[in-house]
Amino acid sequence: EAQVTQNPRYLITVTGKKLTVTCSQNMNHEYMSWYRQDPGLGLRQIYYSMNVEVTDKGDVPEGYKVSRKEKRNFPLILESPSPNQTSLYFCASSTYGDTQYFGPGTRLTVL
Amino acid sequence: EDKVVQSPLSLVVHEGDTVTLNCSYEVTNFRSLLWYKQEKKAPTFLFMLTSSGIEKKSGRLSSILDKKELSSILNITATQTGDSAIYLCAVEGDNTNAGKSTFGDGTTLTVKP
Repeated sequence: EAQVTQNPRYLITVTGKKLTVTCSQNMNHEYMSWYRQDPGLGLRQIYYSMNVEVTDKGDVPEGYKVSRKEKRNFPLILESPSPNQTSLYFCASSTYGDTQYFGPGTRLTVL
Repeated sequence: EDKVVQSPLSLVVHEGDTVTLNCSYEVTNFRSLLWYKQEKKAPTFLFMLTSSGIEKKSGRLSSILDKKELSSILNITATQTGDSAIYLCAVEGDNTNAGKSTFGDGTTLTVKP
């Protein structure tokens, strides 16, 4: 089954404790993105990747890191999480000219 | 800075009504405009629009793009309670902006029985 998976789905952590949210797709898509969604706001792009080892900042990259060492994986790293990073996070993948396919979301709470 | 603005932000209608949702954009290197439906989980794809004036239809939903006015509308006819959701508009970049996606804040549609 074609899909985008994210782990964990829910995470409660404390300020300053490094964490990684994994994202994997099995559709051989070259494009992958991370978004955050806060109440009343649409999705805001954090980082995106056009292919292996090619990444670029989205609209809200501060406090986040990404890497794209393999085509299927695009982890999101929070080196020192803060409460303002409490949000719902979505990973998505696509091929050029097609719609994005979204993962199920990761609800992150930073205390 | 790229910008996508949706209106209205929220809308309450009764079953059977017809609704029109609006999306306007200002982006660099436009490639496509997409509409998604989100119901308490991940967004699901509705339409992708790349050419002006060509209507796309799927059942009771339809959408059209106006590249001269930098806008799009999403129409839903004979609304049902199952249409209650957040409708998101997104614009995707091309060339040097390939991979960049800008979303609007969404329109929350509530359909009452």
